[in-house]
Amino acid sequence: IAGITQAPTSQILAAGRRMTLRCTQDMRHNAMYWYRQDLGLGLRLIHYSNTAGTTGKGEVPDGYSVSRANTDDFPLTLASAVPSQTSVYFCASSDSGTRPNTGELFFGEGSRLTVL
Amino acid sequence: GQNIDQPTEMTATEGAIVQINCTYQTSGFNGLFWYQQHAGEAPTFLSYNVLDGLEEKGRFSSFLSRSKGYSYLLLKELQMKDSASYLCVPRDSNYQLIWGAGTKLIIKP
Repeated sequence: IAGITQAPTSQILAAGRRMTLRCTQDMRHNAMYWYRQDLGLGLRLIHYSNTAGTTGKGEVPDGYSVSRANTDDFPLTLASAVPSQTSVYFCASSDSGTRPNTGELFFGEGSRLTVL
Repeated sequence: GQNIDQPTEMTATEGAIVQINCTYQTSGFNGLFWYQQHAGEAPTFLSYNVLDGLEEKGRFSSFLSRSKGYSYLLLKELQMKDSASYLCVPRDSNYQLIWGAGTKLIIKP
């Protein structure tokens, strides 16, 4: 039982380089999310997808893009990395989208990204 | 604006009981979650409240008062493995989750 798999788990990246963080879930959840977590702060939503084929912007979308070609995969791309994007990135999924049920989030283990 | 207020840090003794309080202000309300996050790990779901009252799940219980914008997480029979951050996460009328920095709970022997 995998749940949500993120890759890579850790990466050091030179500023200006392009980077894609991968996220795959095997729970057939309709909704997926990308968050970043910085020391001392709460999770901040970058982008989300309520269902395959649709995406939306979260609280801090600038510098990031996502795609949702199918139910299982939700990659996050940094087109040109900057040092302020140094963070821990969490991918998550839920089976609710905007439906009014519990909608608990299931998280991947995180990707620790350092931009120099 | 939307905000959450929790203690930054709490300390408790192994075997004891601790209550972590949370007050929140949101644009509308559609439930409140508690998550546990160990250092260096992802958050994991603990509980969900949408109606007033107490939800009990093993050693953990969560309480909600919607009229007061107040919730608490009660942890009984504390174990060393309960050392973690506890995140109070309300959901607003647009089903957006509001995340704060949480409460870091330190358990001492």
